[in-house]
Amino acid sequence: GNSVTQMEGPVTLSEEAFLTINCTYTATGYPSLFWYVQYPGEGLQLLLKATKADDKGSNKGFEATYRKETTSFHLEKGSVQVSDSAVYFCALIQQIKAAGNKLTFGGGTRVLVKP
Amino acid sequence: DARVTQTPRHKVTEMGQEVTMRCQPILGHNTVFWYRQTMMQGLELLAYFRNRAPLDDSGMPKDRFSAEMPDATLATLKIQPSEPRDSAVYFCASGSGTSQETQYFGPGTRLLVL
Repeated sequence: GNSVTQMEGPVTLSEEAFLTINCTYTATGYPSLFWYVQYPGEGLQLLLKATKADDKGSNKGFEATYRKETTSFHLEKGSVQVSDSAVYFCALIQQIKAAGNKLTFGGGTRVLVKP
Repeated sequence: DARVTQTPRHKVTEMGQEVTMRCQPILGHNTVFWYRQTMMQGLELLAYFRNRAPLDDSGMPKDRFSAEMPDATLATLKIQPSEPRDSAVYFCASGSGTSQETQYFGPGTRLLVL
């Protein structure tokens, strides 16, 4: 079946540091890949997505590139802010005819940015 | 700014009581998902509806949980009877039903069963 593996947290950084969160996946075919972010006390919000190999998703200074050869979708940001402190979830969606679209999440990575 | 809404935001109840959580998907979305989030298990998909019909509820404990969509603007998740192990945050999400859809999450219902 499908699975998503992401690095365990917490990741603690200083403001303006470079952030990388690794994400690898297992799936048949060509899933779409997503990064969701969850701020404290809130629901998940879509951060960015990529729907085919070599696509780069970007939003709010975050980027991730769909690498089919390494089955990865690593999240990066060049200079983090305190407001980026959150839990980040990597996910994939694959359409299964009989069962519709199923979103598979990684375990989440907590990021804490200190001033 | 279209959003998924969920009520209640917080619920504290005693073991054995019935709990009903409600979700209003984004207008025009035809897929609705219920997730449960706990520290131990992370995010789990409980049930999934398309055009109000249940497509997959394999993640849901059948003996005490039930999910319905009485109409296109309301989805409900019911637990009867509730148990302490049901304590979690329950999220509803809706989507457009396309093959590469983005799911939009509500703010969640934080449930505590004493």
